[in-house]
Amino acid sequence: GQNIDQPTEMTATEGAIVQINCTYQTSGFNGLFWYQQHAGEAPTFLSYNVLDGLEEKGRFSSFLSRSKGYSYLLLKELQMKDSASYLCATGGNTGKLIFGQGTTLQVKP
Amino acid sequence: KAGVTQTPRYLIKTRGQQVTLSCSPISGHRSVSWYQQTPGQGLQFLFEYFSETQRNKGNFPGRFSGRQFSNSRSEMNVSTLELGDSALYLCASSLEFAGGPDTQYFGPGTRLTVL
Repeated sequence: GQNIDQPTEMTATEGAIVQINCTYQTSGFNGLFWYQQHAGEAPTFLSYNVLDGLEEKGRFSSFLSRSKGYSYLLLKELQMKDSASYLCATGGNTGKLIFGQGTTLQVKP
Repeated sequence: KAGVTQTPRYLIKTRGQQVTLSCSPISGHRSVSWYQQTPGQGLQFLFEYFSETQRNKGNFPGRFSGRQFSNSRSEMNVSTLELGDSALYLCASSLEFAGGPDTQYFGPGTRLTVL
């Protein structure tokens, strides 16, 4: 079976750092994706990890531990525009992504 | 490059009707996937097409179907609409290469409301 868990909601302050966790149990794991989705808009790609470790991309970083079935998305220097849902998804060998329910992040002034 | 486009953007139907949604992938992308997004269930995979063939299918009833054309454009059809089919339908395309998953790029979605 396939199961992905992430917190439903998080709140953080502008300028701070926030870490959004994702745990997964999937068969045929072949990479972990993070997407950002603003209300009423389509998901946009943030990052992809297939090997263990940290991938840094500007203010956003993503970490993967395959042995633990665990990933996190780290957002630094939070801005108000970062208020959105963050979706964790696992990928297989073909075009099928399994998504978690998403974490709604609210950034407050 | 133009992004993934979906038409129509909004649609209102009544129960029992059928609907066809269209998706044009990014130029050069050969894989097209469809997802249903609802507040209660999140993003759920419907099916994926590659080279005009359905390669993967999610756990949706047979009322949901799709196809892909030789130019990689895709359509999905929902017959005998039910109230629970009200959702945002998202299409995503990817380049497709051997040996691993591709990044999927999403279109703006079609918001379907069933009355």
